[in-house]
Amino acid sequence: AQSVAQPEDQVNVAEGNPLTVKCTYSVSGNPYLFWYVQYPNRGLQFLLKYITGDNLVKGSYGFEAEFNKSQTSFHLKKPSALVSDSALYFCAVRADNTGKLIFGQGTTLQVKP
Amino acid sequence: EADIYQTPRYLVIGTGKKITLECSQTMGHDKMYWYQQDPGMELHLIHYSYGVNSTEKGDLSSESTVSRIRTEHFPLTLESARPSHTSQYLCASSELEGGFNEQYFGPGTRLTVT
Repeated sequence: AQSVAQPEDQVNVAEGNPLTVKCTYSVSGNPYLFWYVQYPNRGLQFLLKYITGDNLVKGSYGFEAEFNKSQTSFHLKKPSALVSDSALYFCAVRADNTGKLIFGQGTTLQVKP
Repeated sequence: EADIYQTPRYLVIGTGKKITLECSQTMGHDKMYWYQQDPGMELHLIHYSYGVNSTEKGDLSSESTVSRIRTEHFPLTLESARPSHTSQYLCASSELEGGFNEQYFGPGTRLTVT
C-alpha cells in the first residue's frame, strides 16, 4: 500500500535561512509525489509535483523539492525563507491510477523574523 | 487561486439538523473529492467522484452522502448533524486523464455542531 510520512510536526527557521521540510514515501511501482501548502482558514494550494525526469523539481513561490529514490524521500526546500512562508505543508503520494492522493500528516513551518 | 468554491465558509448548527455543504468548480474537471480535516490537521478522504452519476466512499467512513448530478457540482449532505461531525470539510477537483494531475482545493467549510 502507498504511504507517505512527514517526520516533523513543526519546523522553525529564521527568516533568510534555508528551509527543509521532510517527506518520505513508500510505494509499489513508480512514485508520483506532490507538495501542498495550507494557510490559515484556507484550502490547500498546489506547490509542485514529481512524476518523472529531473530529480530537482521547481515549484511556486521559490520552493523546490528533491526526489531521492534510494532514500525514498521527497524533501521540500527553499534557499531563503520568508515570514510569509509560515503555513502548514503537506506531502502527498498518488494512491493509484484513479487520481486519489494519500496525504502525510502535515508539517507546520514557522519562519521567525 | 483555483476556480473551486465552497459555501458556506463557516456554519454553526444544532444537533439533529440536516445540512448540505456546497462545492462547485468551473474548470470542467471530471474528478471531485471531499476531505475531512480533523483538529490534528490530517486530511482524510471521505467521498470522491469520477464524473456525473459516479460516487464512491473514501478511506474514512463518514455518515455523510454526496451526489454528482452535474459535472461542476458536488454537494455533501448530513441528514442529522452530530457534535462528532464538527470538522473542516475540503472539496477538491482534478482532471480525469492520467492520474498524475494535481488536485485543486476550495477554501473549505468549517462546521461546528452544538
